[in-house]
Amino acid sequence: GAGVSQSPSNKVTEKGKDVELRCDPISGHTALYWYRQSLGQGLEFLIYFQGNSAPDKSGLPSDRFSAERTGGSVSTLTIQRTQQEDSAVYLCASSLGTGELETQYFGPGTRLLVL
Amino acid sequence: AQSVTQPDIHITVSEGASLELRCNYSYGATPYLFWYVQSPGQGLQLLLKYFSGDTLVQGIKGFEAEFKRSQSSFNLRKPSVHWSDAAEYFCAVHPSNTGKLIFGQGTTLQVKP
Repeated sequence: GAGVSQSPSNKVTEKGKDVELRCDPISGHTALYWYRQSLGQGLEFLIYFQGNSAPDKSGLPSDRFSAERTGGSVSTLTIQRTQQEDSAVYLCASSLGTGELETQYFGPGTRLLVL
Repeated sequence: AQSVTQPDIHITVSEGASLELRCNYSYGATPYLFWYVQSPGQGLQLLLKYFSGDTLVQGIKGFEAEFKRSQSSFNLRKPSVHWSDAAEYFCAVHPSNTGKLIFGQGTTLQVKP
């Protein structure tokens, strides 16, 4: 079946603008994760969802970042008033559950460039 | 705090040579450990994972990893590297009762012909 998909694949925006990044998880996966990959910070956890709830949003860097998930499926990560330091690849992953044994399957990412 | 260290940022090996990528973790309880590979422009793909039992774990693409509790290590190995193995490799730990993976900084593998 289809893997995790993300859109857009690339996004260039101007500083101060808002952006929305979308993630479509694998069908039937109840857990969904967002990570950020940047040169200086490596791969960082941002937030995860179990169903439509976010038990852990500890990785969101500031209140400019928010995420939601609706219908237990699609998730949107929103960055308001983007800054240059937000430039990174945003990766989404999904898994059947959230247990430690679960494999997280990653999408190809959205590459965000803030000018 | 839980952490993962990959001491080698960049490794170059000749095609056909053996490979070992190092990973050390810091975690108080039984760790759940993973190796992922990321090819240029691609998402992360799981190579293998360890959570209990046999300390030598087999994965896809001919990779294996050995868990050594005494050394807090989970090194990835391959007996004979192929040019298509050139990629970035990430070691990760999944702490109990959390949803997240904690990743190392990654090791970039270059394969010489």
